[in-house]
Amino acid sequence: AQSVTQLGSHVSVSEGALVLLRCNYSSSVPPYLFWYVQYPNQGLQLLLKYTTGATLVKGINGFEAEFKKSETSFHLTKPSAHMSDAAEYFCAVSTTGGGNKLTFGTGTQLKVEL
Amino acid sequence: DVKVTQSSRYLVKRTGEKVFLECVQDMDHENMFWYRQDPGLGLRLIYFSYDVKMKEKGDIPEGYSVSREKKERFSLILESASTNQTSMYLCASSLGRDPLGSSDTQYFGPGTRLTVL
Repeated sequence: AQSVTQLGSHVSVSEGALVLLRCNYSSSVPPYLFWYVQYPNQGLQLLLKYTTGATLVKGINGFEAEFKKSETSFHLTKPSAHMSDAAEYFCAVSTTGGGNKLTFGTGTQLKVEL
Repeated sequence: DVKVTQSSRYLVKRTGEKVFLECVQDMDHENMFWYRQDPGLGLRLIYFSYDVKMKEKGDIPEGYSVSREKKERFSLILESASTNQTSMYLCASSLGRDPLGSSDTQYFGPGTRLTVL
């Protein structure tokens, strides 16, 4: 069975500051890892995903994440927060042979302050 | 662009009513999914489908059923709605051509906020 833990249900940063959203996973087989973003009153959209190969993955809107197998982590970062980044962020995992079923974390609400 | 549409953004129903939530995708995707989203719980998979007329239970199927008669349409049915089914319901689809099917991106609809009184 696979699972995802997102540390911090709410994160607040100042505009221009570093954004760091934490995600740890548990999986008995090599994982595929995803970050999705949900803006108010909208569905989820993909920010980035790790499948195989390079462990540093770049996504849309300046976000990136690094797969660290030894730490079972896939933290999301952005060097400089913008007001438009305020949203809820979800980390998710699927596994080889597991079909396309995603297991989601509980989400992190990002607030960006002036 | 992939487009996933859901029949209603907001829905209010009474306890015991039969409720249909419809989802349509326009990109010939094989896979379709229904999730419910609750604060503090994230998204939880209710049912999914890899092919027409095929369905599999997700993590929380109790109280729900699904129907997929056409490739582009996946319906979620609440046979007898209860107040604990008040939630946001999200539909998603993915390509499904990867033999292992695990790394496909899922594309989400805007969601239906269902209130059961």
